[in-house]
Amino acid sequence: DAKTTQPNSMESNEEEPVHLPCNHSTISGTDYIHWYRQLPSQGPEYVIHGLTSNVNNRMASLAIAEDRKSSTLILHRATLRDAAVYYCILRRGTSYGKLTFGQGTILTVHP
Amino acid sequence: SAVISQKPSRDICQRGTSLTIQCQVDSQVTMMFWYRQQPGQSLTLIATANQGSEATYESGFVIDKFPISRPNLTFSTLTVSNMSPEDSSIYLCSVLLGQGTGGANVLTFGAGSRLTVL
Repeated sequence: DAKTTQPNSMESNEEEPVHLPCNHSTISGTDYIHWYRQLPSQGPEYVIHGLTSNVNNRMASLAIAEDRKSSTLILHRATLRDAAVYYCILRRGTSYGKLTFGQGTILTVHP
Repeated sequence: SAVISQKPSRDICQRGTSLTIQCQVDSQVTMMFWYRQQPGQSLTLIATANQGSEATYESGFVIDKFPISRPNLTFSTLTVSNMSPEDSSIYLCSVLLGQGTGGANVLTFGAGSRLTVL
């Protein structure tokens, strides 16, 4: 599986935007870029995913570089509830439930 | 989306014993998965629980240690056998649903079962 690289930790202030980067230089053409987050004492939850184009949903936006070798998860206005570990994962189109989780980015949100 | 219930939510177990974790889903799903999260670590897939056939295990995980049942489309169990302190982890059940744009499938996870082996 192609590997992703994320910063170990990031900090933000409440109500400010947060940009969480992810590098995936060995991504293949059939790899989807998925983001999950894990809040304390909970299982991971799906945030967003994309293939080539930028994506928006009610939780976040995903900006994908033109060469697809990097992406950025954007939380438009961070809240204290957004404090979590954020995982950037490459999912091959045929891999179904097998997600290879890296160490993720620990996001701390300050009031 | 699906709602996943796991039991027990946590337990403390003695070395050498076995514990069965239950995963109940509120809708029928074809694919269910069991993950492990060791203390301070990320998640690792243990196996895919297939309804009507044996589970498919990932490298490093074997059926004798982690037997899995999948009697129907809403339920699965994972047993951690002959436990040692190294088995202290959070065990998570997940299901595959079609969600999101473009129809790409995503996983929904249960809250996990935290096992501590003494």
